[in-house]
Amino acid sequence: AQKITQTQPGMFVQEKEAVTLDCTYDTSDPSYGLFWYKQPSSGEMIFLIYQGSYDQQNATEGRYSLNFQKARKSANLVISASQLGDSAMYFCAMRASGGATNKLIFGTGTLLAVQP
Amino acid sequence: DAGVIQSPRHEVTEMGQEVTLRCKPISGHNSLFWYRQTMMRGLELLIYFNNNVPIDDSGMPEDRFSAKMPNASFSTLKIQPSEPRDSAVYFCASRSSEVGELFFGEGSRLTVL
Repeated sequence: AQKITQTQPGMFVQEKEAVTLDCTYDTSDPSYGLFWYKQPSSGEMIFLIYQGSYDQQNATEGRYSLNFQKARKSANLVISASQLGDSAMYFCAMRASGGATNKLIFGTGTLLAVQP
Repeated sequence: DAGVIQSPRHEVTEMGQEVTLRCKPISGHNSLFWYRQTMMRGLELLIYFNNNVPIDDSGMPEDRFSAKMPNASFSTLKIQPSEPRDSAVYFCASRSSEVGELFFGEGSRLTVL
């Protein structure tokens, strides 16, 4: 069975510092995708970054980078130079490719608070 | 470009009433997902359509829940009869390919009294 685990319910970081949000996954499929979404207090879900299981390099999108360690089955999100606007809930998700489905399953999220 | 459009944004109803949530996916997207978000259970996938056909409805809680996608530009999630434990934010999301990211609507916040 596919599973996504986020073990940090909450994190604090000082403005302008970097922060790493942890995500581990479990799947027996050789082909899968990993996603990170941001949910600010307003409630919308915002796509941040994607990593494919066959991608050779770690994904980066601006201040976001994904530390993909395939052997450890981890896909941690790194936010560099944190800003106050980064305060939000962050969800890791995996595209599970079992059988005919390509559904996206989500972890429980990490609430990030950026302090001035 | 218009994103995923959900309605209503907020609904308050009484236990036993029928609730219908609506979703218009992004034009050209061929996959549509309904998720439910609660504090206790997080984001749960309820059902997923591909080319208007339900592919995986294993997350639909029980027979009180039903979802339809009569065409590529419209989907409904119906709860009949509603119960207080159905109170949640219901998200609709669409995707243009089998492997791409999901684009979410703003959600429908349902409160069942």
